[in-house]
Amino acid sequence: QKEVEQNSGPLSVPEGAIASLNCTYSDRGSQSFFWYRQYSGKSPELIMSIYSNGDKEDGRFTAQLNKASQYVSLLIRDSQPSDSATYLCAVISNFGNEKLTFGTGTRLTIIP
Amino acid sequence: EPEVTQTPSHQVTQMGQEVILRCVPISNHLYFYWYRQILGQKVEFLVSFYNNEISEKSEIFDDQFSVERPDGSNFTLKIRSTKLEDSAMYFCASSNYATGEGGEAFFGQGTRLTVV
Repeated sequence: QKEVEQNSGPLSVPEGAIASLNCTYSDRGSQSFFWYRQYSGKSPELIMSIYSNGDKEDGRFTAQLNKASQYVSLLIRDSQPSDSATYLCAVISNFGNEKLTFGTGTRLTIIP
Repeated sequence: EPEVTQTPSHQVTQMGQEVILRCVPISNHLYFYWYRQILGQKVEFLVSFYNNEISEKSEIFDDQFSVERPDGSNFTLKIRSTKLEDSAMYFCASSNYATGEGGEAFFGQGTRLTVV
Protein backbone atom coordinates (compact mmCIF):
# COMPACT_ATOMS: atom_id res chain seq x y z
CA GLN A 1 0.00 0.00 0.00
CA LYS A 2 1.53 3.29 -1.09
CA GLU A 3 1.11 5.77 1.72
CA VAL A 4 1.48 9.49 2.16
CA GLU A 5 1.76 10.59 5.77
CA GLN A 6 1.12 13.99 7.24
CA ASN A 7 0.74 15.30 10.77
CA SER A 8 -2.98 16.11 11.01
CA GLY A 9 -2.38 19.10 13.28
CA PRO A 10 -3.84 21.47 14.05
CA LEU A 11 -0.76 23.60 13.54
CA SER A 12 -1.09 27.11 14.92
CA VAL A 13 1.26 29.82 13.67
CA PRO A 14 1.26 33.56 14.50
CA GLU A 15 0.52 35.96 11.66
CA GLY A 16 3.72 36.98 9.89
CA ALA A 17 5.65 33.89 10.99
CA ILE A 18 6.81 30.92 8.87
CA ALA A 19 4.54 27.89 8.71
CA SER A 20 6.29 24.58 8.06
CA LEU A 21 4.31 21.60 6.80
CA ASN A 22 5.80 18.15 6.37
CA CYS A 23 4.97 15.02 4.43
CA THR A 24 6.58 11.61 4.02
CA TYR A 25 5.81 9.01 1.40
CA SER A 26 6.43 5.30 1.25
CA ASP A 27 7.01 4.60 -2.45
CA ARG A 28 10.64 5.26 -3.28
CA GLY A 29 9.77 5.33 -6.99
CA SER A 30 7.54 8.38 -6.60
CA GLN A 31 8.10 10.99 -9.27
CA SER A 32 5.83 13.96 -8.76
CA PHE A 33 4.85 15.82 -5.60
CA PHE A 34 2.18 18.41 -4.98
CA TRP A 35 0.80 20.61 -2.28
CA TYR A 36 -2.88 21.48 -2.38
CA ARG A 37 -4.76 23.87 -0.13
CA GLN A 38 -8.30 22.96 0.87
CA TYR A 39 -10.65 25.33 2.64
CA SER A 40 -13.45 23.71 4.60
CA GLY A 41 -16.14 22.37 2.26
CA LYS A 42 -14.19 23.37 -0.85
CA SER A 43 -12.10 21.55 -3.41
CA PRO A 44 -8.30 21.08 -3.39
CA GLU A 45 -6.47 24.05 -4.91
CA LEU A 46 -2.99 23.48 -6.31
CA ILE A 47 -0.34 25.52 -4.51
CA MET A 48 2.96 23.99 -5.57
CA SER A 49 4.39 21.15 -7.62
CA ILE A 50 7.93 19.82 -7.31
CA TYR A 51 9.67 17.09 -9.30
CA SER A 52 13.37 17.16 -8.41
CA ASN A 53 15.41 17.33 -5.22
CA GLY A 54 15.93 20.73 -3.68
CA ASP A 55 13.85 23.83 -3.18
CA LYS A 56 11.25 25.47 -5.40
CA GLU A 57 9.98 28.93 -4.55
CA ASP A 58 6.80 30.65 -5.71
CA GLY A 59 5.99 33.89 -3.93
CA ARG A 60 5.57 33.21 -0.20
CA PHE A 61 5.62 29.44 -0.75
CA THR A 62 8.67 27.18 -0.89
CA ALA A 63 8.44 23.45 -1.55
CA GLN A 64 11.36 21.24 -0.55
CA LEU A 65 11.95 17.70 -1.78
CA ASN A 66 14.40 15.11 -0.49
CA LYS A 67 13.91 11.85 -2.38
CA ALA A 68 16.59 10.00 -0.38
CA SER A 69 14.66 10.68 2.83
CA GLN A 70 11.29 10.36 1.05
CA TYR A 71 10.30 13.70 2.47
CA VAL A 72 8.58 16.76 1.03
CA SER A 73 7.78 19.97 2.86
CA LEU A 74 6.03 23.28 2.32
CA LEU A 75 7.12 26.53 3.91
CA ILE A 76 4.76 29.50 3.99
CA ARG A 77 6.51 32.77 4.75
CA ASP A 78 4.79 35.85 6.19
CA SER A 79 1.74 33.76 7.08
CA GLN A 80 -1.62 35.47 6.65
CA PRO A 81 -5.00 34.63 8.22
CA SER A 82 -6.19 33.68 4.71
CA ASP A 83 -3.59 30.87 4.75
CA SER A 84 -5.69 29.12 7.42
CA ALA A 85 -6.78 25.90 5.68
CA THR A 86 -5.97 22.22 5.40
CA TYR A 87 -2.86 21.53 3.34
CA LEU A 88 -2.83 18.27 1.39
CA CYS A 89 0.32 16.56 0.26
CA ALA A 90 -0.18 14.44 -2.87
CA VAL A 91 2.16 12.13 -4.74
CA ILE A 92 2.20 10.42 -8.12
CA SER A 93 3.97 7.16 -7.53
CA ASN A 94 5.34 5.93 -10.82
CA PHE A 95 6.03 7.34 -14.22
CA GLY A 96 3.01 6.72 -16.40
CA ASN A 97 0.77 6.21 -13.38
CA GLU A 98 -1.11 9.44 -13.17
CA LYS A 99 -3.24 9.01 -10.08
CA LEU A 100 -2.65 11.21 -7.04
CA THR A 101 -2.28 9.59 -3.64
CA PHE A 102 -3.21 12.09 -0.94
CA GLY A 103 -2.22 12.40 2.67
CA THR A 104 -4.86 13.14 5.29
CA GLY A 105 -3.84 16.80 5.36
CA THR A 106 -2.51 19.19 8.00
CA ARG A 107 -4.91 21.76 9.38
CA LEU A 108 -3.13 25.13 9.65
CA THR A 109 -4.47 28.03 11.68
CA ILE A 110 -2.84 31.45 11.44
CA ILE A 111 -3.38 33.43 14.63
CA PRO A 112 -3.80 37.21 14.06
CA GLU B 1 -8.25 31.49 -16.11
CA PRO B 2 -9.45 28.08 -17.37
CA GLU B 3 -11.15 25.95 -14.74
CA VAL B 4 -12.86 22.62 -14.25
CA THR B 5 -16.59 23.01 -13.73
CA GLN B 6 -18.91 20.50 -12.08
CA THR B 7 -22.67 20.20 -11.89
CA PRO B 8 -24.70 19.95 -9.78
CA SER B 9 -23.01 21.41 -6.71
CA HIS B 10 -25.27 19.34 -4.45
CA GLN B 11 -27.30 16.22 -5.25
CA VAL B 12 -29.63 14.43 -2.88
CA THR B 13 -30.83 11.01 -3.96
CA GLN B 14 -32.62 8.03 -2.51
CA MET B 15 -30.74 4.81 -1.91
CA GLY B 16 -30.88 2.59 -4.97
CA GLN B 17 -31.35 5.44 -7.42
CA GLU B 18 -28.97 6.24 -10.26
CA VAL B 19 -27.06 9.51 -10.28
CA ILE B 20 -24.94 11.18 -12.93
CA LEU B 21 -22.34 13.72 -11.93
CA ARG B 22 -21.15 16.02 -14.67
CA CYS B 23 -17.85 17.74 -15.31
CA VAL B 24 -16.38 19.98 -17.97
CA PRO B 25 -12.57 19.60 -17.82
CA ILE B 26 -10.13 22.30 -18.90
CA SER B 27 -10.41 22.42 -22.68
CA ASN B 28 -6.89 21.46 -23.77
CA HIS B 29 -6.37 18.81 -21.09
CA LEU B 30 -6.10 15.17 -22.05
CA TYR B 31 -6.36 13.31 -18.73
CA PHE B 32 -9.53 13.29 -16.67
CA TYR B 33 -10.12 11.99 -13.16
CA TRP B 34 -12.73 11.44 -10.52
CA TYR B 35 -11.84 11.56 -6.83
CA ARG B 36 -14.06 11.45 -3.81
CA GLN B 37 -13.76 12.65 -0.23
CA ILE B 38 -15.96 11.26 2.51
CA LEU B 39 -16.54 13.85 5.21
CA GLY B 40 -13.52 14.10 7.49
CA GLN B 41 -11.44 11.67 5.42
CA LYS B 42 -8.72 11.92 2.80
CA VAL B 43 -9.23 12.53 -0.91
CA GLU B 44 -9.38 9.14 -2.66
CA PHE B 45 -8.74 8.30 -6.30
CA LEU B 46 -11.59 6.64 -8.18
CA VAL B 47 -10.70 6.53 -11.85
CA SER B 48 -8.57 8.08 -14.56
CA PHE B 49 -9.58 8.42 -18.20
CA TYR B 50 -7.44 9.04 -21.25
CA ASN B 51 -7.98 8.68 -24.98
CA ASN B 52 -11.63 7.71 -24.45
CA GLU B 53 -10.97 4.83 -22.12
CA ILE B 54 -10.29 4.11 -18.48
CA SER B 55 -6.55 4.07 -17.83
CA GLU B 56 -6.71 3.15 -14.16
CA LYS B 57 -9.35 2.56 -11.51
CA SER B 58 -9.29 1.96 -7.78
CA GLU B 59 -10.90 -0.80 -5.74
CA ILE B 60 -13.69 1.64 -4.91
CA PHE B 61 -14.63 1.91 -8.58
CA ASP B 62 -16.68 -1.26 -8.81
CA ASP B 63 -19.38 -2.29 -11.28
CA GLN B 64 -21.77 0.28 -9.84
CA PHE B 65 -19.60 3.07 -11.24
CA SER B 66 -19.02 4.07 -14.84
CA VAL B 67 -17.51 7.03 -16.64
CA GLU B 68 -18.16 8.46 -20.04
CA ARG B 69 -17.06 11.29 -22.26
CA PRO B 70 -20.23 11.63 -24.33
CA ASP B 71 -19.00 14.58 -26.38
CA GLY B 72 -15.91 16.76 -26.74
CA SER B 73 -16.42 18.68 -23.52
CA ASN B 74 -18.29 16.70 -20.86
CA PHE B 75 -16.99 13.96 -18.60
CA THR B 76 -19.52 12.11 -16.47
CA LEU B 77 -19.52 9.75 -13.49
CA LYS B 78 -22.54 7.49 -13.15
CA ILE B 79 -23.41 5.56 -10.01
CA ARG B 80 -26.01 2.97 -10.96
CA SER B 81 -27.58 2.07 -7.63
CA THR B 82 -26.49 4.41 -4.88
CA LYS B 83 -25.73 3.23 -1.37
CA LEU B 84 -25.63 5.23 1.85
CA GLU B 85 -21.83 4.89 1.88
CA ASP B 86 -21.60 6.65 -1.50
CA SER B 87 -22.38 9.92 0.30
CA ALA B 88 -19.30 12.09 -0.25
CA MET B 89 -17.86 15.04 -2.14
CA TYR B 90 -16.99 13.97 -5.66
CA PHE B 91 -14.27 15.93 -7.40
CA CYS B 92 -13.50 15.95 -11.09
CA ALA B 93 -9.96 16.88 -12.11
CA SER B 94 -8.02 17.22 -15.33
CA SER B 95 -4.39 17.52 -16.37
CA ASN B 96 -2.42 18.06 -19.53
CA TYR B 97 0.02 15.21 -19.00
CA ALA B 98 0.05 12.06 -16.91
CA THR B 99 3.06 13.08 -14.86
CA GLY B 100 6.11 15.28 -14.84
CA GLU B 101 6.14 18.99 -15.58
CA GLY B 102 2.72 19.97 -16.85
CA GLY B 103 1.11 17.02 -15.12
CA GLU B 104 -0.50 19.12 -12.44
CA ALA B 105 -4.13 18.17 -11.86
CA PHE B 106 -6.69 20.92 -11.37
CA PHE B 107 -9.87 20.19 -9.47
CA GLY B 108 -13.43 21.29 -9.97
CA GLN B 109 -15.46 22.73 -7.11
CA GLY B 110 -17.03 19.35 -6.36
CA THR B 111 -20.47 17.79 -6.15
CA ARG B 112 -21.74 16.93 -2.70
CA LEU B 113 -23.71 13.71 -3.04
CA THR B 114 -26.07 12.83 -0.20
CA VAL B 115 -27.75 9.42 -0.31
CA VAL B 116 -30.79 9.10 1.97
